[in-house]
Parts: sequence; structure tokens; C-alpha cells
Amino acid sequence: SYVLTQPPSVSVPPGQTARITCGGNNIGGKTVHWYQQKPGQAPVVVVYDDTARPSGIPERFSGSNSGNTATLTISRVEAGDEADYYCQVWDGSSDLYVFGTGTKVTVL
Amino acid sequence: EVQLVQSGAQVKKPGESLRISCKGSGYTFSIYWIGWVRQMPGKGLEWMGIISPSDSETRYNPSFQGQVTISVDKSINTAYLQLTSLKASDTAMYYCVRRAYGDNPAVTFQYWGQGTPLIVSS
Repeated sequence: SYVLTQPPSVSVPPGQTARITCGGNNIGGKTVHWYQQKPGQAPVVVVYDDTARPSGIPERFSGSNSGNTATLTISRVEAGDEADYYCQVWDGSSDLYVFGTGTKVTVL
Repeated sequence: EVQLVQSGAQVKKPGESLRISCKGSGYTFSIYWIGWVRQMPGKGLEWMGIISPSDSETRYNPSFQGQVTISVDKSINTAYLQLTSLKASDTAMYYCVRRAYGDNPAVTFQYWGQGTPLIVSS
């Protein structure tokens, strides 16, 4: 089955840039979505279709996807960005949805 | 406004069964596939399965196949997740999700229910 691997945690000072990776075999050939989950809340889409941003999501959130790695970049990190982040794809070969292992972002 | 409203928190004993509901509103219910996602305490998101309300076509994550049943009643805009022979390991938060649009399976889960917490304990 298809596996998406994320670093368990990323720590970043406020105002700096956080980069969260999502590794998968030829993930560049798939469409990647990113979700933010704050404690006690349901996940929210922050980036979809590799690079698109839903309305209401700050421009500080951006995505890229190539080769075996997709990346969610959070620029000018704020305290309010502290959350768990998950990548997700649909694996067409198996017709299954897969979530990444999740990354906890801590703002120092 | 699109909304997915799930049934409330549940406490069950091992061996019991449970059906969680997810009512959609603010859109044409039959058009958009509805999925279910499990999150065990302190753990990540796991996709369980998905159903098409228009014809009840269903896909299951092999990890959950045979353990759960996903169904829909489009007359009342509601999807269901049934769990049987509950075990303590079924203790989790369960979310229903709606695909962003149409027939493309690769689109994002744009809308999420508020979640239904389940505790299984003797």
C-alpha cells in the first residue's frame, strides 16, 4: 500500500519559515492536499491540489510537489500556526485515500 | 453554507454495536461522495472508506474492510458509519468528510463534520 512519510515534529521561531515534507514514491505524479488540525478541532484544508489555497487561508501557506517529496511551507510563522499538519493523496493504482503520518509544528 | 453535522458522543461496552450519522446540508447531497476518517487518541488520521450517495457505490480501506459498514439514506441527506463487535481499540474520534466536487476522486476533502467521539469501555 502507498505510504506517506512526514517528520514527527518541526520547531520554528516566530517570523521564520517552517517547511513540512511529505515523502512518497513518485508523489510528484499525484495530487497532494494539506490539512491543519488544532487541538480539539476538526482538520481544515490549508493547501489543495499541490499549490492552491482555499479562500481565507493566508498567503503565508504555500505548497509544492515534485519527485518523491511534497512540501508545505509556512512563511513568517505565527503562534497561531501551532498545529498538526497532514498531507493526503488519492492513490489511483489502488483507488484508496492515504494520509501522511502527521507533523506537529511548534512555534518557539 | 455547506455543513456536515454528526451525531453525538457515544460510550459503549465491548461487543456492542454503533451507528454514527452524518447529515449534509447546504448542497445537493447526492452529488458529492462522503467519506469517514478515524483518529485514535493522540494519533493521526486514517481514511476508512467512502460512499457515493447517488448509487451507494462504496470503497473501503482494506484495514477496515469487514469491520465497518458505510451506508447512506439520500432521502434524508444522511450518511452512516456502522461499527459492530466494538473493542476498546475502537475508541477514537470519527469524522465524516465530503469531497470538494464531482467525479474526480483525487480532489480534497473540503468539508469535515465536527467529529463523533466514541469511547468503548467495560
